[in-house]
Amino acid sequence: AQSVTQLDSHVSVSEGTPVLLRCNYSSSYSPSLFWYVQHPNKGLQLLLKYTSAATLVKGINGFEAEFKKSETSFHLTKPSAHMSDAAEYFCVVSGANDYKLSFGAGTTVTVRA
Amino acid sequence: GAVVSQHPSWVICKSGTSVKIECRSLDFQATTMFWYRQFPKQSLMLMATSNEGSKATYEQGVEKDKFLINHASLTLSTLTVTSAHPEDSSFYICSATLGQGRTQYFGPGTRLLVL
Repeated sequence: AQSVTQLDSHVSVSEGTPVLLRCNYSSSYSPSLFWYVQHPNKGLQLLLKYTSAATLVKGINGFEAEFKKSETSFHLTKPSAHMSDAAEYFCVVSGANDYKLSFGAGTTVTVRA
Repeated sequence: GAVVSQHPSWVICKSGTSVKIECRSLDFQATTMFWYRQFPKQSLMLMATSNEGSKATYEQGVEKDKFLINHASLTLSTLTVTSAHPEDSSFYICSATLGQGRTQYFGPGTRLLVL
């Protein structure tokens, strides 16, 4: 079985400063990993995904994540936070033989002006 | 591309009535659709997996007679909450996969409030 752990339930940053959201995964196979963002009362939007190609993955809105197999991590970063980045972020891993997703508990990002 | 819609976005109903929620893939044919439930300040909980033309596969603890899923075409899946009760109030989100890929594209969600 696969699982993900988001290490921070809440991250607060100042506008214009870097954002780091940490995610560790557990999987017995080579996983597919995703980061999704959810704004209040909205569905989930795909930020980026890792599917065994390049370990540094670039996504939308300036986000990127690095897959580190040795550390079983898939941390999400952005060099400069914007007010519109305030949202809930989910790290997600896909099952090996099916399409089921396992979600982390989520990290709430607040951005201070 | 890969847009998923849900209708309605909001629904308020009386206890004991049934509510149908539609999930549509607008610009692609979805091989598989999923239904999730999300409680406030929590992550998503998978309710069921739906493939076109076959019965849905429900997760453990999800009542299939209460949450009826119909996947009539490659672009439409419906979730019917039968005899709704206040504890069924929640945010319901669907998703769909494109082709054989593992990426799920999510709908905007439906907020259900049962009075």
